[in-house]
Parts: sequence; C-alpha cells; structure tokens
Amino acid sequence: SAVISQKPSRDICQRGTSLTIQCQVDSQVTMMFWYRQQPGQSLTLIATANQGSEATYESGFVIDKFPISRPNLTFSTLTVSNMSPEDSSIYLCSGGDSLRFFGPGTRLTVL
Amino acid sequence: KNEVEQSPQNLTAQEGEFITINCSYSVGISALHWLQQHPGGGIVSLFMLSSGKKKHGRLIATINIQEKHSSLHITASHPRDSAVYICAVSPFSGGGADGLTFGKGTHLIIQP
Repeated sequence: SAVISQKPSRDICQRGTSLTIQCQVDSQVTMMFWYRQQPGQSLTLIATANQGSEATYESGFVIDKFPISRPNLTFSTLTVSNMSPEDSSIYLCSGGDSLRFFGPGTRLTVL
Repeated sequence: KNEVEQSPQNLTAQEGEFITINCSYSVGISALHWLQQHPGGGIVSLFMLSSGKKKHGRLIATINIQEKHSSLHITASHPRDSAVYICAVSPFSGGGADGLTFGKGTHLIIQP
C-alpha cells in the first residue's frame, strides 16, 4: 500500500491570490491524479499529473487556472490560481496504479 | 462517460443494524472502488473489486459485472461507521489510464 500526504490540510485565502498544494507519496507510483470536491458534490477529476511531461486536463479545467507539476514519481503540486470564492472546495490527490490511494485532502476556503 | 448512481443518498440507522449501500454504473469498467470519506474530507479506500465478493472485518462488497451493480454491506453497524461512502469506477484503459468516476456518495449516520 501507499501513504499519501498533502500540505496544507486547510487554508483560507483571499480572492485573487494563488495557493499551491503539495502531494507526497511514500512510494513510487506511475499515476497521480488531482480531484476537486465542491460542497455537496461528488469528486471531479481535474487532471492526471504526468511525470516529466505536461498534465492532462479534463474538460472544464485549464492549465492557466490549475498548473500542475510532477517532477518525480513520488511528488506533485497543484496550484489554484487567481482564486475566487467558487474555488472553495476540497482538493484531493490520488496515486497508484491498479490500487488507488488518496491523500487526506486540502480544504480551501476563498473569501 | 460512465454514470455512477448510488442509493440511498442518505441513510440513518440504529447501532447493530445491517446496512446496504448500492451502486450502479452505465459502462463497462475494469474495477470498482468503495471509498469512505470522513467529515474532514480525507478518503480511505475500502475495497477494489473487479468480480465477486470481498470481505474485510464487518464490511462486505459484492459486484455483478453483468448487471453493472455493486453493493457495500456493513454488518453489526456502529456509530464509528458514520461517514460518506463513495462508489467509484475505473474505466477500461485505452492509451492511458484515466481517473476514477465517482458517485455522489451515501451519507450514513449510525445512531447509538
């Protein structure tokens, strides 16, 4: 199994600022994913973080708003840029190949 | 795109009751996951199924591939089982693995 940690666990941010969320896996995984869970909604895939290349974004999500880095097989970051209150969500990192493991989530509130 | 439907959306039961949560999906999958989300938002993976049945402690998960349906059962339920239970499916990979498609979750409350 793999253990995934995320930092920060929660944050309150001002409109117009950016926040970078870090995801660390305790073992190498091929696939890493970033999800968003808006209040009262199910999780939605933002993008697949590809090691050594640009992330693959789902419909409705763009790199300028959610830049992602994946420098190696154990680490990824998601930045939420130019935030608005609509970005208030839980952001979850997930990794793994056949089995999927999840981070504890980052609860973001944008004022 | 796969549609994942869970029922019920909300369930309140008494301690000790047998709990069943259902999940249906619309397109063939490579695997189905049952996840548990606690109030803080963190998610724990309970099961990954591609066929048959799995058991872990008081939790049992079954899947019927032909009917595109899975159930999660909790025996002898306890207040600490109170959480949101989420069904998620993995598509057949084709040229690159995709993320999971999630159901909206079942909010379970077990009262003492």
